[in-house]
Amino acid sequence: DGGITQSPKYLFRKEGQNVTLSCEQNLNHDAMYWYRQDPGQGLRLIYYSQIVNDFQKGDIAEGYSVSREKKESFPLTVTSAQKNPTAFYLCASSIGPGRGYSYEQYFGPGTRLTVT
Amino acid sequence: DAKTTQPPSMDCAEGRAANLPCNHSTISGNEYVYWYRQIHSQGPQYIIHGLKNNETNEMASLIITEDRKSSTLILPHATLRDTAVYYCIVRGHSGGGADGLTFGKGTHLIIQP
Repeated sequence: DGGITQSPKYLFRKEGQNVTLSCEQNLNHDAMYWYRQDPGQGLRLIYYSQIVNDFQKGDIAEGYSVSREKKESFPLTVTSAQKNPTAFYLCASSIGPGRGYSYEQYFGPGTRLTVT
Repeated sequence: DAKTTQPPSMDCAEGRAANLPCNHSTISGNEYVYWYRQIHSQGPQYIIHGLKNNETNEMASLIITEDRKSSTLILPHATLRDTAVYYCIVRGHSGGGADGLTFGKGTHLIIQP
């Protein structure tokens, strides 16, 4: 089945540690995204990538880093510089520019990160 | 991108049509209206989008007013599984459709048995 996978579903870390969240898609999509959601709030864009080896900062990129070495994978690292890392993190993908103009995005199940 | 306004919550009886409103009075001519929903603790799900004309798919119908300043998402026969937060997003396609979205707080739709 085609889709987006994120693992793990729940992640616990100590303050001061970097942590990497995985996101994999087999939809052959060019574009991938990372969002953060806090309780009772909407989603905010952290980073996005329109093509392999290229990515752009979203609205709240500080304290996060990403890489896009393969089309299928877009891992997000939450660094110790992120002041409030506890949140629900969502990865998404879409067809991408040049293959149809649409904001139809497909989301993964999310990773709930708790930092204490 | 134009700002949207949605009621924070709505109730609807199971089996009835659920009509979710969205105001986007500052929408510009090339901006589309998108709807997503998010069931508790899951990733959002795309529902439908439109520019001017009304749109329908297997999930819902989207009615956009003639002046495009508001729209309504219609779930024709709501079930308990439709309980979710529904997001209305207005977005132009100048970014190629690949530069991310901004989700507000949406409308929490509760389907009552």
